Amino acid sequence: DIVMTQSPDSLAVSLGERATINCKSSQSVLYSSNNKNYLAWYQQNPGQPPKLLFYWASTRESGVPDRFSGSGSGTDFTLTISSLQAEDVAVYYCQQYYSSPYSFGQGTKLEIK
Amino acid sequence: EVQLVQSGAEVKKAGESLKISCKGSGYIFTSYWIGWVRQVPGKGLEWMGIIYPGDSDTKYSPAFQGQVTISADKSISTAYLQWSSLKASDTAMYYCARKRGGYNEYYFDPWGQGTLVTVSS
Repeated sequence: DIVMTQSPDSLAVSLGERATINCKSSQSVLYSSNNKNYLAWYQQNPGQPPKLLFYWASTRESGVPDRFSGSGSGTDFTLTISSLQAEDVAVYYCQQYYSSPYSFGQGTKLEIK
Repeated sequence: EVQLVQSGAEVKKAGESLKISCKGSGYIFTSYWIGWVRQVPGKGLEWMGIIYPGDSDTKYSPAFQGQVTISADKSISTAYLQWSSLKASDTAMYYCARKRGGYNEYYFDPWGQGTLVTVSS
């Protein structure tokens, strides 16, 4: 099974500053036949279900603000918020869909400093 | 609008059985995989398993194989997650979610609102 590890577990960033969340997979999630990374990012606001932000590691879901970006390849991935807004306070999860079971990272809690 | 609506919160005793539901609407229910995800209070997301309602093909995470049963009734566009004998450790929020991608692309959107299951010992 692929193990997903996020860092840090929690993060406090000032409004307007950059937030960076990392996700590492125990094996590559890059599928060589199509050169795509089978990695998604979700945002979970308090008391809400998760919401899809990115798939293929960097394809932004419709409606997601462009201050959010996803990057990385192989085993190392990053979710970046370029200018933190109050509504971005949430827990963020990465998920690999390269192979079953389609595991999630443990989550990164993002707060305002 | 694509929607998944889950059944309401449940309070059960250890050893009891339970079946929770997830009703899809706004799309062709039989054409999209539906997954189940567990979230223990204050903890992260755990992928449990997934079903294709068109033919009931089901995949389980090894961590949940034999612990739960995933099923679907395509006549009423509803997927189910059931337990034959609950344990206190099954206390969690359970989400259903629809697979969004194409073949072999198991990312999920939208998600149901969640069903809180509380099991007392």
